[in-house]
Amino acid sequence: NAGVTQTPKFQVLKTGQSMTLQCAQDMNHNSMYWYRQDPGMGLRLIYYSASEGTTDKGEVPNGYNVSRLNKREFSLRLESAAPSQTSVYFCASSEGGWGNQPQHFGDGTRLSIL
Amino acid sequence: GENVEQHPSTLSVQEGDSAVIKCTYSDSASNYFPWYKQELGKRPQLIIDIRSNVGEKKDQRIAVTLNKTAKHFSLHITETQPEDSAVYFCAANGGNEKLTFGTGTRLTIIP
Repeated sequence: NAGVTQTPKFQVLKTGQSMTLQCAQDMNHNSMYWYRQDPGMGLRLIYYSASEGTTDKGEVPNGYNVSRLNKREFSLRLESAAPSQTSVYFCASSEGGWGNQPQHFGDGTRLSIL
Repeated sequence: GENVEQHPSTLSVQEGDSAVIKCTYSDSASNYFPWYKQELGKRPQLIIDIRSNVGEKKDQRIAVTLNKTAKHFSLHITETQPEDSAVYFCAANGGNEKLTFGTGTRLTIIP
């Protein structure tokens, strides 16, 4: 039982390049989330998927797109990377139930954009 | 939307003493309040949570209290140990599918 698995763990991009961060969970959870973590700013929600087939914007969605590929997988895409998107990205999942269930986090992707 | 404020941003306590971290929230619809611990370079991990129908919850040396009237909740760690050193985050759900996190408290336990 791996929990929430994120790939890659580290990535360096040049400004303007694109990439997709992958996330998969094996807990049969309904809801999945993408956060970014910057020093002194806590965890900020980028996008979330309350259930398979639905996605919604969070607090900081600009410059990102997401795909809920199936119940297990939720990917985050940067179409044209910018230095302001340098951050640590965490994926999380929960059973759902209107946000009153614990969220379980992956190990994160450390992304640097030059 | 929900707004969560967390204080203090840094906290140093002597080993064996107690530590208290406080959070306030803005949305009265919030009904779920988790606390996460994040060690350096690691993932946030849930340490305790409380729902709005409960005023206090304890798990060994960790406790959380909730005051719905004042819209604040607190984390209490007793008999602190060096392994308690980490960043702690509070969160509230605003009555919907999302969590809004506080900005974190860096707790340092002084041996």
